[in-house]
Amino acid sequence: QKEVEQNSGPLSVPEGAIASLNCTYSDRGSQSFFWYRQYSGKSPELIMSIYSNGDKEDGRFTAQLNKASQYVSLLIRDSQPSDSATYLCAVNAAADDKIIFGKGTRLHILP
Amino acid sequence: EAQVTQNPRYLITVTGKKLTVTCSQNMNHEYMSWYRQDPGLGLRQIYYSMNVEVTDKGDVPEGYKVSRKEKRNFPLILESPSPNQTSLYFCASSPTMAKNIQYFGAGTRLSVL
Repeated sequence: QKEVEQNSGPLSVPEGAIASLNCTYSDRGSQSFFWYRQYSGKSPELIMSIYSNGDKEDGRFTAQLNKASQYVSLLIRDSQPSDSATYLCAVNAAADDKIIFGKGTRLHILP
Repeated sequence: EAQVTQNPRYLITVTGKKLTVTCSQNMNHEYMSWYRQDPGLGLRQIYYSMNVEVTDKGDVPEGYKVSRKEKRNFPLILESPSPNQTSLYFCASSPTMAKNIQYFGAGTRLSVL
């Protein structure tokens, strides 16, 4: 059974600080990694995608991938109250069209 | 406007009464998928479709059916709903080459009494 693990939180971070969200996955064949943000009562929306080892930056967001250690992380710099949401990690293996989501980490930015 | 449209948004039904939740996308996406979201269990994939007439089971397909007769539509069918299918359902679509960059519908909250 392929699994994607996330700390459920809540993770509380002061406004302006860096929020660090982590995700581990069990399938070594995984090729595609995604972070979605979901506000309460809303549908998930894509924040970042990453396919190769290393860092990928987009504005205040940085995704980090380490395939050898089977983890992917999301850093949010200069955290804002509007970043308060649940963050979902999603993983897909190249040989499989299934998509496995983690259960999500609740992030709370403290004003 | 590019979007994934689900209907209905809210549905209350009784055990055993067949229902269909519709999903339509206007982005010419090939990949479409259905998820259910439950507290403590996260998003779980029910069925997915790589293209017209091509469907496959996700992680929790029991009690559900789907069809993909047209590229834009991917209905979810519950032939005999049971209370354990009470959940929040999301439809999503994506272009095949970036099939994990998914665009989600607004969700359907289903209660089976």
